[in-house]
This record gives sequence, structure tokens and C-alpha cells, in this order.
Amino acid sequence: GENVEQHPSTLSVQEGDSAVIKCTYSDSASNYFPWYKQELGKGPQLIIDIRSNVGEKKDQRIAVTLNKTAKHFSLHITETQPEDSAVYFCAASGGSARQLTFGSGTQLTVLP
Amino acid sequence: GAGVSQSPSNKVTEKGKDVELRCDPISGHTALYWYRQSLGQGLEFLIYFQGNSAPDKSGLPSDRFSAERTGGSVSTLTIQRTQQEDSAVYLCASSFSGVEQYFGPGTRLTVT
Repeated sequence: GENVEQHPSTLSVQEGDSAVIKCTYSDSASNYFPWYKQELGKGPQLIIDIRSNVGEKKDQRIAVTLNKTAKHFSLHITETQPEDSAVYFCAASGGSARQLTFGSGTQLTVLP
Repeated sequence: GAGVSQSPSNKVTEKGKDVELRCDPISGHTALYWYRQSLGQGLEFLIYFQGNSAPDKSGLPSDRFSAERTGGSVSTLTIQRTQQEDSAVYLCASSFSGVEQYFGPGTRLTVT
């Protein structure tokens, strides 16, 4: 089955700086890669996703890149703000699997 | 519009008791998923419904776990003879396309 590795597990940045979180996946049949933001006591919130026919996608301060050959994808947050502080999860799905396989999460802290 | 709702938000039960967790998906979403999130861990897939059918039950950890979905809408996850290792946040997600998944706030289950 699919295995998703996520790094780093914790990340602290100064407000206004950029943050990058990286994930690798194992199943070459995976074709959908979402990112979720989870605040304390809440469910994961879908913030951006990318499909395997696209190399990069942007939405305001958030971007995701995908390298299918290397089987890795990354989340980039620019101009970070304190409200960006949360746990971020990457995930992968596709092939015969409808369920998402999640990475272990990154605790992002944006320092004011 | 209304998102995915789950009830109860918190449940404390004694070891050996049965519990039922409920999920109301977004209206019109035909796919429904259950995941489990243990303390400080990533999300673990449990079961997937398409309509009222469950084509993938591969994530259910034991035969004490079961789920059903009626009318293509509400789903119930039942855990029989609860054990302390069942303590976790149980998350439900729904999807219209079967790809993008939108999560509810979760039910925090504590088995004492």
C-alpha cells in the first residue's frame, strides 16, 4: 500500500518569512495530493490540492509543487502570519485506493 | 453551506461498553469516509462508503468495529466492547467527486 513520509515534524518561522513542508510517497499510481490544516480541537481543513497532471498550483500565499518522477510534493507558505500556526498534513490517494494516506504532520509555529 | 457534522463531540465510556458515533455528511455527497486520529498521530483510514455500500473496509482494526450508512446520508460507526486503545479522535469526511474530502470536527472518544 501507499506510504507517505512528511518532514519536518516541527517548524518555527518568523512572521513574514516563508515555510516549506515536504512529503514523499511510495505508490507511483497515486494521482491526487491534498494538504490539510488542522487547528487545535478541529477537524482537518482542505487548503490546497494538486493532481498528477500538474506540476505547480498557487492560491494566494499558498503553493504546492509536485515532482512525479521523484515522487515528492511540497507545500510553500509565503508571508507567514500568526494565524498560519497549526498542524499541516499532506496526503496521497489514487490508483485502486479511494482513501487518503496521510503523512505524520508538521507543527508550524509562526512567531510574531 | 453546512459542512460535515459529527456527534457527539466528546464521549467518555467505560472499558467494555459499546459506543455509537454519528456522521452527517455534506448534502449531496455520495462518498463517506471514517478515519481515526490517535494522540499526536496522523490520520488512519477505517472505512469508505459509496452510497450505502462499503467497498473498502480494510482499515477497520478488529471485528469490534463496524459501520453502516443508511439512505445514502447519515453514517454510524459502532465500537463494541471498547478497549483503552480505542481512545482517539474519530473523524468523518465526505466527498461529492470521490476525490476531494471534507472533514467534520471529529468525536473525541475516551475509554476509561
